[in-house]
Amino acid sequence: GENVEQHPSTLSVQEGDSAVIKCTYSDSASNYFPWYKQELGKRPQLIIDIRSNVGEKKDQRIAVTLNKTAKHFSLHITETQPEDSAVYFCAATTNTGGGNKLTFGTGTQLKVEL
Amino acid sequence: KAGVTQTPRYLIKTRGQQVTLSCSPISGHRSVSWYQQTPGQGLQFLFEYFSETQRNKGNFPGRFSGRQFSNSRSEMNVSTLELGDSALYLCASSLSENQPQHFGDGTRLSIL
Repeated sequence: GENVEQHPSTLSVQEGDSAVIKCTYSDSASNYFPWYKQELGKRPQLIIDIRSNVGEKKDQRIAVTLNKTAKHFSLHITETQPEDSAVYFCAATTNTGGGNKLTFGTGTQLKVEL
Repeated sequence: KAGVTQTPRYLIKTRGQQVTLSCSPISGHRSVSWYQQTPGQGLQFLFEYFSETQRNKGNFPGRFSGRQFSNSRSEMNVSTLELGDSALYLCASSLSENQPQHFGDGTRLSIL
């Protein structure tokens, strides 16, 4: 089955700096890669996603890049703000055989310091 | 549009009991997936239902089961509860496969 590795497990940046979180996946058939932000005690919230036919996607301060050959994808947050502090999860899914089955990375605790 | 609704928010049970959790998806969403979140294992896929049929299943014992009704609402049942079943159980809904999944607030299950 699919396996997703995520690094780093914790990341501390100064406000205004950029943050990068990296994930690798094992199943070359995976074709959909969402990123979720989870604040303490709250639900995971979808913040951006990318499909395998796209190399990069951007939404304001957030961008995701995908390298299908290397089987890795990354989340980039620019001009970080204190409210960006949360746990971020990457995930991968394939619709081989149909269905939704997200395989998640282990999460990155991002702390944005003033 | 209302989001994914899960009930109850909190549950306390003892070992050996069984429990049923409920999930109402976003209106129009036909796919409902369940995940278990624990500090040690992270987010793990339990199963997914689409049009009342289980389409995918994760690596959990048969004590974990679910079903989906014609209105797309889903229930998850755990029988013979064990201490290790203590977790946050999250439900997510989507329009169809490989579409964005949106999570509910979860049910926090504690086993004593």
